[in-house]
Amino acid sequence: GEDVEQSLFLSVREGDSSVINCTYTDSSSTYLYWYKQEPGAGLQLLTYIFSNMDMKQDQRLTVLLNKKDKHLSLRIADTQTGDSAIYFCAERGSSASKIIFGSGTRLSIRP
Amino acid sequence: DAGVIQSPRHEVTEMGQEVTLRCKPISGHNSLFWYRQTMMRGLELLIYFNNNVPIDDSGMPEDRFSAKMPNASFSTLKIQPSEPRDSAVYFCASSLPTGYNTEAFFGQGTRLTVV
Repeated sequence: GEDVEQSLFLSVREGDSSVINCTYTDSSSTYLYWYKQEPGAGLQLLTYIFSNMDMKQDQRLTVLLNKKDKHLSLRIADTQTGDSAIYFCAERGSSASKIIFGSGTRLSIRP
Repeated sequence: DAGVIQSPRHEVTEMGQEVTLRCKPISGHNSLFWYRQTMMRGLELLIYFNNNVPIDDSGMPEDRFSAKMPNASFSTLKIQPSEPRDSAVYFCASSLPTGYNTEAFFGQGTRLTVV
């Protein structure tokens, strides 16, 4: 079945770039998402990419997609303390199918 | 729109009791998802509906769990009888129909504690 995997933890120094990686198994994935969860809150969409794209940039966020290796990454430039959260990678095969999430990567920021 | 609304926000119940979690999706959304989040297992998809019809319930842990969507604006997730291992945060999410960017919009979650 479909599976999405992420590393559980990432620690970076404030001001550095953070890179969160994700792999997925469903080769028919059409939509790939990055969500952010702050403590005690629900998940909020950060950005998304369609499977026919290689890269998407949105201010400090850069998403890279390697469809051949089924690898997705999220780069956060100039990481700030407010970026501390859990980041989830998710994939959806089609607009009517289920959305599968990874286990989430907890990003912590060192001063 | 107020977003996806879940109730209650917190629920504490005794083992063996019935628990009902409620969700109101965003108006116009036709897909609805129930997820469970725990430290050990991360975010698990329990069940999802399209146009009020359950499409995939393979993530429902066991027969003690049931979900319904009687109309486009309301869904329930019921646990009967509840057990301590059901303690988790339960999220409801909804998404737009075919043809749009179909991201899921999440509610604030219901934190369930079974003692």
